[in-house]
Amino acid sequence: KQEVTQIPAALSVPEGENLVLNCSFTDSAIYNLQWFRQDPGKGLTSLLLIQSSQREQTSGRLNASLDKSSGRSTLYIAASQPGDSATYLCAIYGGSQGNLIFGKGTKLSVKP
Amino acid sequence: DAGVTQSPTHLIKTRGQQVTLRCSPISGHKSVSWYQQVLGQGPQFIFQYYEKEERGRGNFPDRFSARQFPNYSSELNVNALLLGDSALYLCASSPWVNTEAFFGQGTRLTVV
Repeated sequence: KQEVTQIPAALSVPEGENLVLNCSFTDSAIYNLQWFRQDPGKGLTSLLLIQSSQREQTSGRLNASLDKSSGRSTLYIAASQPGDSATYLCAIYGGSQGNLIFGKGTKLSVKP
Repeated sequence: DAGVTQSPTHLIKTRGQQVTLRCSPISGHKSVSWYQQVLGQGPQFIFQYYEKEERGRGNFPDRFSARQFPNYSSELNVNALLLGDSALYLCASSPWVNTEAFFGQGTRLTVV
């Protein structure tokens, strides 16, 4: 059974710091991996999609990498800002029914 | 372009009642999926529909049902509501299965 784990569960950093969020999955047979941002009580905002044939994707201050062989993905956020405070969710397209399988998320707090 | 729209945004129901949640996908998207997210957890897969056919179903009781209409919009129905059904219900649309998913803002269901 495919499982997705995100470490750490919560992270608090001062503004301007570079940080890394981690995501691991148990079965390397995945299609794609997607990172989302969720603000309290809101829906999910797509940040980056990494297709199974890709190793990384970049968007602005965000960079996500994918290593299928080791079952890991990282989301790197450069020069963090208070507006980056949110929960970050990692999800893989690996369900037998074409569904997304999510981790529990990392709650990020960036202090001014 | 309009994103994924869900209605209503919030509702309160009494135990034993029935509820219908609605989702309109992004124009041109043929796949709609439903997820349940309880506080502090990642979203859990409920249903996926593609081209009006059910493609997958998560580990939810038969009280949960869904359908997709010819215009690709979708409804999620939950019968005999329990307190444990209180959650944020998220709808996601994508062009087809295993492609990038875009989420709506969710429907917050409270069962009292």
